[in-house]
This record gives sequence, structure tokens and C-alpha cells, in this order.
Amino acid sequence: GAVVSQHPSWVICKSGTSVKIECRSLDFQATTMFWYRQFPKQSLMLMATSNEGSKATYEQGVEKDKFLINHASLTLSTLTVTSAHPEDSSFYICSAREPRGADTEAFFGQGTRLTVV
Amino acid sequence: GENVEQHPSTLSVQEGDSAVIKCTYSDSASNYFPWYKQELGKGPQLIIDIRSNVGEKKDQRIAVTLNKTAKHFSLHITETQPEDSAVYFCAAKKTPSYMKTSYDKVIFGPGTSLSVIP
Repeated sequence: GAVVSQHPSWVICKSGTSVKIECRSLDFQATTMFWYRQFPKQSLMLMATSNEGSKATYEQGVEKDKFLINHASLTLSTLTVTSAHPEDSSFYICSAREPRGADTEAFFGQGTRLTVV
Repeated sequence: GENVEQHPSTLSVQEGDSAVIKCTYSDSASNYFPWYKQELGKGPQLIIDIRSNVGEKKDQRIAVTLNKTAKHFSLHITETQPEDSAVYFCAAKKTPSYMKTSYDKVIFGPGTSLSVIP
């Protein structure tokens, strides 16, 4: 299957700082990428849908000013957690879907473990 | 919106035995059902999927069945091995028929932690 790479795999930051997470599709172009958040022993919760060349679509309850998403190219989407607080500590995962149509599976990155101290 | 339930939440089996994980979904319009395996500290990996026009699909030791009427779908792993130990997530997705879009969402079940005991 297609490869989605996420960077960094883990990051520790101080409270109040911002952290950027990158999601790249390595061998295909992804017009749409998805960002998820996962707390320990819980399922994946969709945060937002990232669309190349346009604004992201956020799920209800997700603060768009806190979680900034930029889909600058067909192979790169970034998630920036602004003014991070300890409650933002979580496992963030991106996924990307090949633009063959909507009825295709999405491929996931390896995830980023964010710890805010 | 769509709601996906999954049972059991934890499952322990002896190596070589079969494991079955069951899911139900609420939206009858959902038409794509992927299963993901997630190992500790890693992202989910697609292991098998099934579309609503198919009742069963098999790939080596893994099979998935779908009952559209009952809105049930299940994952079957035969001849389990210790490396099958992981968290498994079922999911459901609805592709709108009136437009082709990549904006459709995959809704995940709560997950099943599978332990295969050597």
C-alpha cells in the first residue's frame, strides 16, 4: 500500500509553545488528508479534514485557532498545536487517501506522541 | 450521525485458536467497512476491508463478514499467532451517491485489544 510519513514521531514541548507536526504522502498525491487524535486506550477521533488548496474542515468541538492545519501541497499537510497545554498531550495521527475517488482506503502515518510539560 | 460499536473490548486467545471481533453500525447508508490493526505506539494499519455489495471476504488467515440487514460485520482471525496481538479497530464509512468527494468520514469503533497467548 501507499506510504504516509509523519514527523516527528514524538515531541516534548513546554506549556505555551507551539508544535508543528508534518504528514507526507511519499508515493502518491493526496488531495485530502485527515488528522486524528487518540488518547490512551481509546479510539481515533477525527479532528479535521485537510484539503489541498483550501481551508480545513474541522469537526465539532475542535478549536480551529488552536489546531492550525495547512495543506500546502498534494503531498504535505501540517498540524500546528498553538499555545500547547498539558491537556493537549496525546497521540496525533494523520491519514491520506489517494485521489482515485472517495471509495478508497486511507493510509495512516505512524503517529506523533505529543507531551506538553 | 454514524455510530460504530465493537465487542469485545478485550480478547485473549491461545495461540492457534481463532479470534472473532464483532461490530455494529447505525447508519444503513454506510457502504465501506475497513478493519485496522494498531500496534503499541504506531499508527493503524489497514488489514482488510469489505464493501456493502459483498457479504464475505478472505485474505489468508483473516476474513470479514458483513450482514447489511442486521448492520453487523465481523473480523475472523484463524490460527492466531503471538504477532497478531494488537488493538483492532473496525470502522464504517458512507460514500455519498450524489457526489464523488473525499470529504467522507471514517468512523471508528472503540477498539478490541487482542492478546494471543503462546
